[in-house]
Amino acid sequence: DIQLTQSPSSLSASVGDRVTITCQASQDISKYLNWYQQKPGKAPKLLIYDASNLETGVPSRFSGSGSGTHFSFTITSLQPEDIGTYYCQQYDTLITFGQGTRLEI
Amino acid sequence: QVQLVESGGGVVQPGRSLRLSCAASGFIFSNYGMHWVRQGPGKGLEWLAVIWYDGSKKYYADSVQGRFSTSRDNSRNTLYLQMNRLRVEDTAVYYCARRKGSAAAFDIWGQGTLVTVSS
Repeated sequence: DIQLTQSPSSLSASVGDRVTITCQASQDISKYLNWYQQKPGKAPKLLIYDASNLETGVPSRFSGSGSGTHFSFTITSLQPEDIGTYYCQQYDTLITFGQGTRLEI
Repeated sequence: QVQLVESGGGVVQPGRSLRLSCAASGFIFSNYGMHWVRQGPGKGLEWLAVIWYDGSKKYYADSVQGRFSTSRDNSRNTLYLQMNRLRVEDTAVYYCARRKGSAAAFDIWGQGTLVTVSS
């Protein structure tokens, strides 16, 4: 099974900050990685697919990069509504999610 | 609008069965692969199963292989998850989700339905 390790597990940042979350895969998954945001009590929301493609309607302050085993997710200027938990998800071999990163302001 | 609505959750005793439904609307259901994902209380997301757009292929996570099965009725725009031999650790919110094209990204999610396995 492919394991995804997100770092950090939680972080606190200020409005306007640049925030980066990393996701390390246990083996090469090419570009087959997606990123989601989940707010408490809500279903996850797709933000980035295929490592770097912005989902329609998602603000451009969100971005993703990487390939192979190392991936990054960045919010360039943190907004109050960005609080929540962020997950990476691979689809190279079946599906697995990272353990999540809780973002607080 | 494009929507997925799960139903069928509730409280069930260990060892019993439950069937969840996911009703799709606002898009051509028969064109899309569909997935099930769950989230235990205070935990992260766990992928459970996928079914191809035409029902021809199905794959499951090891944790539910042999106990859970997914199916679909494209004439009713409905996805199903049959859960047998339920365990306490199956307690979770269960989501259905639509697969986005070739990226196996979940672009549409239901609101989730809570399954509680308890004696």
